[in-house]
Amino acid sequence: QVQLVESGGGVMQPGRSLRLSCAASGFSFTDHPMHWVRQAPGAGLEWVAVISYDGSNKRYLDSVKGRFTISRDNSKNTLFLEMKSLRREDTAVYYCVRYGADGSVPFDYWGRGTLVSVSS
Amino acid sequence: SYELTQPPSVSVSPGQTARITCSGETLPKQFVYWFQQKPGQAPVLVIYKDTERPSGIPARFSGSGSGTTVTLTIAGVRAEDEADYYCQSADSSNNWVFGGGTKLTVL
Repeated sequence: QVQLVESGGGVMQPGRSLRLSCAASGFSFTDHPMHWVRQAPGAGLEWVAVISYDGSNKRYLDSVKGRFTISRDNSKNTLFLEMKSLRREDTAVYYCVRYGADGSVPFDYWGRGTLVSVSS
Repeated sequence: SYELTQPPSVSVSPGQTARITCSGETLPKQFVYWFQQKPGQAPVLVIYKDTERPSGIPARFSGSGSGTTVTLTIAGVRAEDEADYYCQSADSSNNWVFGGGTKLTVL
């Protein structure tokens, strides 16, 4: 079955950097674009970034452009989110989310998430 | 920025029908998706492309509506349906957007 397992979260000071990873299994990783979606404590869901199946195209939420970089290693079935210049408002659970292969479902399977807390 | 509007909370008794609305200007032109999220868990897709139900989702979940307001209906609500529900769609530039979420309480 589809499994998405995030890791790399933690407590970081403002201005620092962090790299999240998402290990994918149970499906053909190279057939799917992938997203990162975040959820601040007690808040709703917010799309952060998407990457095409081959990594050639990327899109970002305006508030993370220039600070976050999404990437993937298809040889290792792994998705990444490099986060720089962290801000308190980046505090959230970050979910790795699969984009349906036929494009009909933008967010079809979700990982359990990893918590990023930005605090001094 | 573009927003999808949901009621913060809906309460129903077991066996009744729960209706959760989602409003947005682009909904007549964009598909809507619904997610269920239980405390401490990842969201789960319950409705896609306005009215379609993924395999494994009970038939009591349905999506409907037209125009700028759509509705997630849960018929014969059970205690296990208590969760937060989020609608998702896209703005006029095809940027993905989520609603603020609705907490469904089963009394």
